[in-house]
Amino acid sequence: AQSVTQPDIHITVSEGASLELRCNYSYGATPYLFWYVQSPGQGLQLLLKYFSGDTLVQGIKGFEAEFKRSQSSFNLRKPSVHWSDAAEYFCAVGPKAAGNKLTFGGGTRVLVKP
Amino acid sequence: NAGVTQTPKFQVLKTGQSMTLQCAQDMNHNSMYWYRQDPGMGLRLIYYSASEGTTDKGEVPNGYNVSRLNKREFSLRLESAAPSQTSVYFCASSDTGNSPLHFGNGTRLTVT
Repeated sequence: AQSVTQPDIHITVSEGASLELRCNYSYGATPYLFWYVQSPGQGLQLLLKYFSGDTLVQGIKGFEAEFKRSQSSFNLRKPSVHWSDAAEYFCAVGPKAAGNKLTFGGGTRVLVKP
Repeated sequence: NAGVTQTPKFQVLKTGQSMTLQCAQDMNHNSMYWYRQDPGMGLRLIYYSASEGTTDKGEVPNGYNVSRLNKREFSLRLESAAPSQTSVYFCASSDTGNSPLHFGNGTRLTVT
């Protein structure tokens, strides 16, 4: 069965500092990997996705993520955090087959200090 | 551009009551999904509909039923609400199986 672990429940970072959110997955085949962001009271918005090819993927809002097959990881990074990045972030893994039945991690809530 | 619209936004039910959560998308997507979100557990798939006329169980289907009314609409029904169904419910849609999910803004349900 597929699973996703986000080890950090909360992260506090100063505005302008770098941010890295960890994601480890368990999946029997080559996975499709996603990062979503959820602002308070809103639904989830796609930040970026990895299907194949270059293991460093760029997303919206200045985020990037690196797929490391050997470590079963797909960590999300941003070089310089803005106050508007305060939100909850979810990593998800899914099959290549049709159906898009994603499995989500528990989420990491990011707080940004002025 | 409405995207995915969910109604209602908030609902309080007593144990044993029934209700239907409505979801509609205007993006002509084939697939639609219902997730529930609980603290620390991320989102868990309740039911999904890969295309109009089909529905399948997800990870946590017990206590729920769904109807894919047409290509636009996918409703979730709680026949006899229980406190364990207190959660935030999200509807989502996607064009194909590998397309990103587009989410609604959620329905916060409390069962007392």
